[in-house]
Amino acid sequence: DTAVSQTPKYLVTQMGNDKSIKCEQNLGHDTMYWYKQDSKKFLKIMFSYNNKELIINETVPNRFSPKSPDKAHLNLHINSLELGDSAVYFCASSQDQGANVLTFGAGSRLTVL
Amino acid sequence: GQQVMQIPQYQHVQEGEDFTTYCNSSTTLSNIQWYKQRPGGHPVFLIQLVKSGEVKKQKRLTFQFGEAKKNSSLHITATQTTDVGTYFCAVNDYKLSFGAGTTVTVRA
Repeated sequence: DTAVSQTPKYLVTQMGNDKSIKCEQNLGHDTMYWYKQDSKKFLKIMFSYNNKELIINETVPNRFSPKSPDKAHLNLHINSLELGDSAVYFCASSQDQGANVLTFGAGSRLTVL
Repeated sequence: GQQVMQIPQYQHVQEGEDFTTYCNSSTTLSNIQWYKQRPGGHPVFLIQLVKSGEVKKQKRLTFQFGEAKKNSSLHITATQTTDVGTYFCAVNDYKLSFGAGTTVTVRA
């Protein structure tokens, strides 16, 4: 069983569209994250949720809206997509919010045309 | 938040040779983690170092935490093609922040 699974794996869309990425973890972890990895492989945290509550929001444009319906799920919705949003988005989870060891999903490669 | 400088950004290694990647911080770190990301893959946790001067080994990989807890290194001996990928260090205060990574390619 995949510990952290995210869908879709690939997403190709036009500028201005809205898209969502879903993430689920079956590790029983309390904390989940979204990271963005750009073309230079730089990994930057976007959001973190602990038990469904937002605890980190790293000055991400408000076109990005995370939602955590329960502690096992963290979804990411992006409105009005821009070219610069093209990246690989990784979901991750950790035991708790003490920035413990992260378990990453396989990533969702978003290409905005 | 805490930031780490990771060098080199790229490392081209002849198979069988050794190499080292370094992470440096201007502030004292509580701990440091290392991750490996294979090409097309996702970051995978390798190890966490907590104590000053700590040295840990995983087969051909040797991880070290500096005495002042401001730097760390990953040394790989007898590089193999399976070592290709990007190695990240990561530090945390209230969040886990990653270094820029060292991308390793191996010449057979």
